Amino acid sequence: NAGVTQTPKFQVLKTGQSMTLQCAQDMNHEYMSWYRQDPGMGLRLIHYSVGAGITDQGEVPNGYNVSRSTTEDFPLRLLSAAPSQTSVYFCASSAPGDTEAFFGQGTRLTVV
Amino acid sequence: RKEVEQDPGPFNVPEGATVAFNCTYSNSASQSFFWYRQDCRKEPKLLMSVYSSGNEDGRFTAQLNRASQYISLLIRDSKLSDSATYLCVFYNQGGKLIFGQGTELSVKP
Repeated sequence: NAGVTQTPKFQVLKTGQSMTLQCAQDMNHEYMSWYRQDPGMGLRLIHYSVGAGITDQGEVPNGYNVSRSTTEDFPLRLLSAAPSQTSVYFCASSAPGDTEAFFGQGTRLTVV
Repeated sequence: RKEVEQDPGPFNVPEGATVAFNCTYSNSASQSFFWYRQDCRKEPKLLMSVYSSGNEDGRFTAQLNRASQYISLLIRDSKLSDSATYLCVFYNQGGKLIFGQGTELSVKP
């Protein structure tokens, strides 16, 4: 019962470095999305995907790229890390039809 | 106007109290509504769906008021273990899952 798996759980980056946050789900869900959570801000949508090969921007997409080559995987790439990207990142997946979303355990990212 | 708004709290209540949270949404086309619970910045987990006719799950009651565009969560007989952040969530057009900023509840002995 893996569900949604996010890696890494913790990461420290230097300003300007790039990295990829991994997200994989084994529930054959079509919908996947990435959120960031900052104190007092709730979860804000970065990018989302309604199926393999289809991605779209959310509320705060700048500085992030995504791709969806398979149903299972939805990696989030930080192109050039900035201190403003210090946050907790959550990946989520759900089946179509406005159903329950399942979340990964989160990645705590610090950019120094 | 924000798509969804919640009172961030914190709500500090004694054990056994009844507490209610509201959440307003701006898009009248929103279809499906949920309450999620989040503990200590861990991943959010579904608490309950919100149905048009209202629904109850033990000590928890959720209601939807489409005319006034808000959902509510009522917790009766609060327990220490209910301390958490409660997030109202809905799907907007296009399948995006939108979260409120969360309401923090602290239940004290």
